[in-house]
Amino acid sequence: ELKVEQNPLFLSMQEGKNYTIYCNYSTTSDRLYWYRQDPGKSLESLFVLLSNGAVKQEGRLMASLDTKARLSTLHITAAVHDLSATYFCAVDITGNTPLVFGKGTRLSVIA
Amino acid sequence: GAGVSQSPSNKVTEKGKDVELRCDPISGHTALYWYRQSLGQGLEFLIYFQGNSAPDKSGLPSDRFSAERTGGSVSTLTIQRTQQEDSAVYLCASSLGGMLAYEQYFGPGTRLTVT
Repeated sequence: ELKVEQNPLFLSMQEGKNYTIYCNYSTTSDRLYWYRQDPGKSLESLFVLLSNGAVKQEGRLMASLDTKARLSTLHITAAVHDLSATYFCAVDITGNTPLVFGKGTRLSVIA
Repeated sequence: GAGVSQSPSNKVTEKGKDVELRCDPISGHTALYWYRQSLGQGLEFLIYFQGNSAPDKSGLPSDRFSAERTGGSVSTLTIQRTQQEDSAVYLCASSLGGMLAYEQYFGPGTRLTVT
């Protein structure tokens, strides 16, 4: 059974600081997704990582995937308040299959 | 273009009543997924439709839950004899469904409250 673990589950960080969210998964897969969710809203796709060593960046967020370690990271650079949200990683085994989600990391960026 | 839409956005129902939740996927998307998001369980898969294949119902929590997809497009999730533990946000997602087109796009969700 595929399990996905994220840590930390809660993260309070100061504006301007850097931090990393970790996502581990239990079964071989080379497909990992990061989503953002604002309170009361649906899931917004941030990154799709499809191969070992994949790295994608968008603004202050950078995601990477190490399939050998079964680990993905979401790195936040110089955090700003607008990044406050809950971030989920999700994995599927073969594509076009249901996603298994981590429990989410609730990020709060404070001045 | 239009994204995934869901209706109603909010539904309050009494315990024991049946409810129907609707999902309109992105036009041309052959794969459709239902997920449930609740405080205690996080985001969990319910059911998956791919084209004309038999649906994957492995995530449905009980036989009170069922779903259908008519004409390969709109899907309805039905919960019979609702219970308080069914209270959650029900999310629908769709994807193109091809070998290289599996990114799932989520709708706004239906918040179900069972009183």
